[in-house]
Amino acid sequence: EPEVTQTPSHQVTQMGQEVILRCVPISNHLYFYWYRQILGQKVEFLVSFYNNEISEKSEIFDDQFSVERPDGSNFTLKIRSTKLEDSAMYFCASRDRDRAYEQYFGPGTRLTVT
Amino acid sequence: QKEVEQDPGPLSVPEGAIVSLNCTYSNSAFQYFMWYRQYSRKGPELLMYTYSSGNKEDGRFTAQVDKSSKYISLFIRDSQPSDSATYLCAMSSNTGNQFYFGTGTSLTVIP
Repeated sequence: EPEVTQTPSHQVTQMGQEVILRCVPISNHLYFYWYRQILGQKVEFLVSFYNNEISEKSEIFDDQFSVERPDGSNFTLKIRSTKLEDSAMYFCASRDRDRAYEQYFGPGTRLTVT
Repeated sequence: QKEVEQDPGPLSVPEGAIVSLNCTYSNSAFQYFMWYRQYSRKGPELLMYTYSSGNKEDGRFTAQVDKSSKYISLFIRDSQPSDSATYLCAMSSNTGNQFYFGTGTSLTVIP
């Protein structure tokens, strides 16, 4: 069964450093998403991406964040200058064109900013 | 005003019990209503979805949506210890661009 994969599973970084979180969505999917979940809190939407551009983004997704689809398989989230409050689980999700209700989530990357 | 509200529990039931999980919401633009299951430190896994109002059944799981009350439910019949997890409701408008999640309800089914 196809699945969304994410690397690394755990990333530790120092405050102010740049991090890139990587995702490989399901191969025939066209819509891509990033969410985050701070420990003990809700899963929060960050950004959606379709046709090589951002479709929608939340207030959390400020200028420190960027997304890219550098090739036909990867989807990345970059945080330019990490803050302590960026520590969270980051989930990538994808869906196909026709099923708006069916976002498939990856296992997540745990980001720890020290 | 919170978009989606969900009682975080925890909820503890004996094996075989019927479990009722609920969410309320405020945004009348929501059309898609999903239930996800999440195990500790894993990604959410889609269980069921419903479009607009009505019921949907899948094995031991039944999802209900009452748009007039802005209230959705997930029922689990004959609950099993393997059902122990956190259950998240999620909702979106017709675009499906952004999912709004509840806080999740932690469920433990005791053998």
